[in-house]
Amino acid sequence: EDKVVQSPLSLVVHEGDTVTLNCSYEVTNFRSLLWYKQEKKAPTFLFMLTSSGIEKKSGRLSSILDKKELFSILNITATQTGDSAIYLCAVVVQGAQKLVFGQGTRLTINP
Amino acid sequence: DVKVTQSSRYLVKRTGEKVFLECVQDMDHENMFWYRQDPGLGLRLIYFSYDVKMKEKGDIPEGYSVSREKKERFSLILESASTNQTSMYLCASSPSVANYGYTFGSGTRLTVV
Repeated sequence: EDKVVQSPLSLVVHEGDTVTLNCSYEVTNFRSLLWYKQEKKAPTFLFMLTSSGIEKKSGRLSSILDKKELFSILNITATQTGDSAIYLCAVVVQGAQKLVFGQGTRLTINP
Repeated sequence: DVKVTQSSRYLVKRTGEKVFLECVQDMDHENMFWYRQDPGLGLRLIYFSYDVKMKEKGDIPEGYSVSREKKERFSLILESASTNQTSMYLCASSPSVANYGYTFGSGTRLTVV
């Protein structure tokens, strides 16, 4: 059974801190991994990672994939209260037209 | 921008009622999906559809059915709502999941009392 596991499930930090969110996966035939941010509305796309070792960056957010160890991390530097959200990790399995999601990490940034 | 619209943001229904959750997308996507989201369990796939009048069961289809009579509309039906179906329901669409992932709707928070 395809499985995606995120950790931690919940994280509370102070504004300005750096956080690292983890996503590990066990799937039959990996194609790509995606990160989404969900505030009180629709999850929005952050990154799609297909190749190992290539960092994707968008402002203070960055992410990298390790296909040998089967995990990805999402880093957020200099966190702001607007980064408070649920962060979702999902995997595309080769040949399947659907995503397999992890449980999500609820990140809270306190001022 | 692609828009995926879910008809209700919040819904309260009684046990045993038949419930319809509607989802409409405006970008001619073939693929549409219904998930439920529960704390600690993440997003779990209920049903999905590759084309009009076509549907596939996801991981937790029991107690649900779907309808896709037109390409832009994918409806989730709770035949007889139960309290364990209280949840956040998310609809999504995609032209090609492997290349683009999903575009999500804003969700419907359903409470069954």
